[in-house]
Amino acid sequence: DAGITQSPRYKITETGRQVTLMCHQTWSHSYMFWYRQDLGHGLRLIYYSAAADITDKGEVPDGYVVSRSKTENFPLTLESATRSQTSVYFCASSDTQGQSPLHFGNGTRLTVT
Amino acid sequence: GENVEQHPSTLSVQEGDSAVIKCTYSDSASNYFPWYKQELGKGSQLIIDIRSNVGEKKDQRIAVTLNKTAKHFSLHITETQPEDSAVYFCAAREGSYIPTFGRGTSLIVHP
Repeated sequence: DAGITQSPRYKITETGRQVTLMCHQTWSHSYMFWYRQDLGHGLRLIYYSAAADITDKGEVPDGYVVSRSKTENFPLTLESATRSQTSVYFCASSDTQGQSPLHFGNGTRLTVT
Repeated sequence: GENVEQHPSTLSVQEGDSAVIKCTYSDSASNYFPWYKQELGKGSQLIIDIRSNVGEKKDQRIAVTLNKTAKHFSLHITETQPEDSAVYFCAAREGSYIPTFGRGTSLIVHP
């Protein structure tokens, strides 16, 4: 099915562990984004990518790493998880055509203990 | 950079009433203004959008208005139903540049 999927849906990890959140889209959209959503802060951009092998920092990139070797995949890695990274993470994609909406995945709820 | 303010943060209405959510933006170059609805446990979905060459757009019970001079746009939901309860986000975007989101409005529709 066409769409954007995130995995896992839920993840519990311990402080200091490395965690990778996966995002896959089937539209061949050029743009992909990672957001975190916390109460009172709305959606905050972590990283984005304009195309394969092109990534850039967003508003809150510290502690996160991304890669985009293929257009359809945009994994987000927490190199050494901290409790402050407990959040709901959303991946999104967008066409490059001007004035296009974002298409969001259903999110990954991450808890760092 | 762009800054988007969204109000109110919480909106409680009775079923059948109208609901209005307002957003202001700072960058006059923004030309695309989508609204997203996020239901519990799900990702945000586009419900309506408006481009800068249009002042108003309607889709059944939902409408969006845009005032470019004042740099604000609003979401109007008429005849609200319990299934309209969700978090709503506005956003502003210039072409294919990175969109800027408001902080969200939690709409609660009481039966």
